[in-house]
Amino acid sequence: NAGVTQTPKFQVLKTGQSMTLQCAQDMNHEYMSWYRQDPGMGLRLIHYSVGAGITDQGEVPNGYNVSRSTTEDFPLRLLSAAPSQTSVYFCASSRGQGDQPQHFGDGTRLSIL
Amino acid sequence: AQKVTQAQTEISVVEKEDVTLDCVYETRDTTYYLFWYKQPPSGELVFLIRRNSFDEQNEISGRYSWNFQKSTSSFNFTITASQVVDSAVYFCATSIRAGSYQLTFGKGTKLSVIP
Repeated sequence: NAGVTQTPKFQVLKTGQSMTLQCAQDMNHEYMSWYRQDPGMGLRLIHYSVGAGITDQGEVPNGYNVSRSTTEDFPLRLLSAAPSQTSVYFCASSRGQGDQPQHFGDGTRLSIL
Repeated sequence: AQKVTQAQTEISVVEKEDVTLDCVYETRDTTYYLFWYKQPPSGELVFLIRRNSFDEQNEISGRYSWNFQKSTSSFNFTITASQVVDSAVYFCATSIRAGSYQLTFGKGTKLSVIP
């Protein structure tokens, strides 16, 4: 099993460009989430999904879109990249109940120039 | 809303010393879950432990131990006889009963173990 796979691992964008960060999991987990990690800030939730076709906003959703057409995939879209979106992005998946740990991908390091 | 405070931003210890990482949480839920994750220099997040709000038993796993005290809303993590491989950023986090999709993280404690 691959677990949670994120692509790409690194990306540099120019301000105003758009891109999609990919996330796929092969554990048949219902829940998937996107976090961003900034220095000294810990991880903050961007968007999450509790199942195919269901998504919702987290703590810092502005500037990002998500969709969940399949159980396996949960892409994160930046519509018009801004320097403030320079960060490390983590995708995570987990089973339904609150006591289940989230399994994280290796992260995508994104720089916006 | 939940909140996790890790007051120690950075800690340095000499190898073989014991070290305790502090975690204080805030929640209005009566049922909640607490987690510790490790982020080594390579950057991935590694799950270490989960505790339920209704189980205050301390837990030991090898050189790692966790002390959960509801009275002080704390979930501290102790590494005994630290090793260089323990150097990492450690995050404490909490989630609510309704679902594990939303972890609230502390800002992390960077632990450096000096040989």
